[in-house]
Amino acid sequence: GQQLNQSPQSMFIQEGEDVSMNCTSSSIFNTWLWYKQEPGEGPVLLIALYKAGELTSNGRLTAQFGITRKDSFLNISASIPSDVGIYFCAGSPYSGTYKYIFGTGTRLKVLA
Amino acid sequence: GAGVSQSPSNKVTEKGKDVELRCDPISGHTALYWYRQSLGQGLEFLIYFQGNSAPDKSGLPSDRFSAERTGGSVSTLTIQRTQQEDSAVYLCASSRPPQGSQETQYFGPGTRLLVL
Repeated sequence: GQQLNQSPQSMFIQEGEDVSMNCTSSSIFNTWLWYKQEPGEGPVLLIALYKAGELTSNGRLTAQFGITRKDSFLNISASIPSDVGIYFCAGSPYSGTYKYIFGTGTRLKVLA
Repeated sequence: GAGVSQSPSNKVTEKGKDVELRCDPISGHTALYWYRQSLGQGLEFLIYFQGNSAPDKSGLPSDRFSAERTGGSVSTLTIQRTQQEDSAVYLCASSRPPQGSQETQYFGPGTRLLVL
């Protein structure tokens, strides 16, 4: 099925560094979601975005709905070891939908 | 329970055998979803149940895959005549009744299926 382009595929960073990742789509989206998945667990929703240009924070995490509506960004500030996991973006061109297209994930490893 | 539960957590089967995967959604959640997550890939939508409406089966990859939801609660995903390419993590999620455009999906831990 269709998937989003998510980058980078993986990141190895030092504890305390900031992290940035993004997703791009070939079509306009009305909703962007960011999930985190830890080993052996299902994804957990971090941030949901519903308006172009929207900037939303959840603790050290900040996500933005790109103004073109074809991309989204997730930033993690001052990374800590428990930030390790796979971060997925998901989006949909429809409002009020249950069907989302998922990115292939960014695997984050934090070195203490 | 407090969250979505899935069983078994791991399943190893031989090619050609049938498997059944179970999902218990969060109590009160009327929507239930099945996804497949292959190694190194994102989540692939399989099927969606909402209340008593006809399910959206558009994501099922072949007629070997089927799913049921009994009594609007527990769901079973069945894969018949399993193939090696069916090996993946099968994730279930549930959400509350639709409230505008916001319908957060809560995921279970998944069932890791390995077809030998």
